[in-house]
Amino acid sequence: EVQLLESGGGLVQPGGSLRLSCAASGFIFSNYAMTWVRQAPGKGLEWVSAISGSGRNTYYADSVKGRFTISRDNSKNTLYLQMNSLRAEDTAIYYCAKDTGAFDIWGQGTLVTVSS
Amino acid sequence: QAGLTQPPSVSKGLRQTATLTCTGNSNNVGDQGAAWLQQHQGHPPKLLSYRDNNRPSGISERLSASRSGNTASLTINGLQPEDEADYYCSAWDSSLSVWVFGGGTKLTVL
Repeated sequence: EVQLLESGGGLVQPGGSLRLSCAASGFIFSNYAMTWVRQAPGKGLEWVSAISGSGRNTYYADSVKGRFTISRDNSKNTLYLQMNSLRAEDTAIYYCAKDTGAFDIWGQGTLVTVSS
Repeated sequence: QAGLTQPPSVSKGLRQTATLTCTGNSNNVGDQGAAWLQQHQGHPPKLLSYRDNNRPSGISERLSASRSGNTASLTINGLQPEDEADYYCSAWDSSLSVWVFGGGTKLTVL
């Protein structure tokens, strides 16, 4: 079964850091680009960042550029999102998704709350 | 990075047909086509269609997608109570090298 499982969310103070992980199973991880999408409470979906299958190419939304870093370890079938200089407006559920030209598989999400 | 434009809400009766729209520009919807996602409250999104009118396995044939120029559409025939959800469109913007989402449409089945 194809599955994605996010972890690493939690409560962090403004200006703090957090690293999210997304463990993949059931497919050849290195063959697919992966993406992070977030959803603030009561709001719509916002694309955050994407990475190619090899990890060589990365893409970011303007709202996180320079603060967030996407990476992957294909030997561990795991996707990461390093989030630095966190702000209150980064509070959201963060989903990882498999990218086949569309986001065909989603994880259950992990909640990040930025608050003092 | 401007997003795609979707109407905030659509209401239709049981067994009726709903058509949801998503407007972008020639660099995203007009170029790469759009995908449609459904999200029920408290659940992650689910892919309904991609590249305009390709349905993943297991998606109901009551759903069909299309595109005309820079506007994508999702049509749901024979509305059922379980179709009540939020619907999002997404597309790759080849000019900006970013993914863009629509703001979402809340579909209410009366």
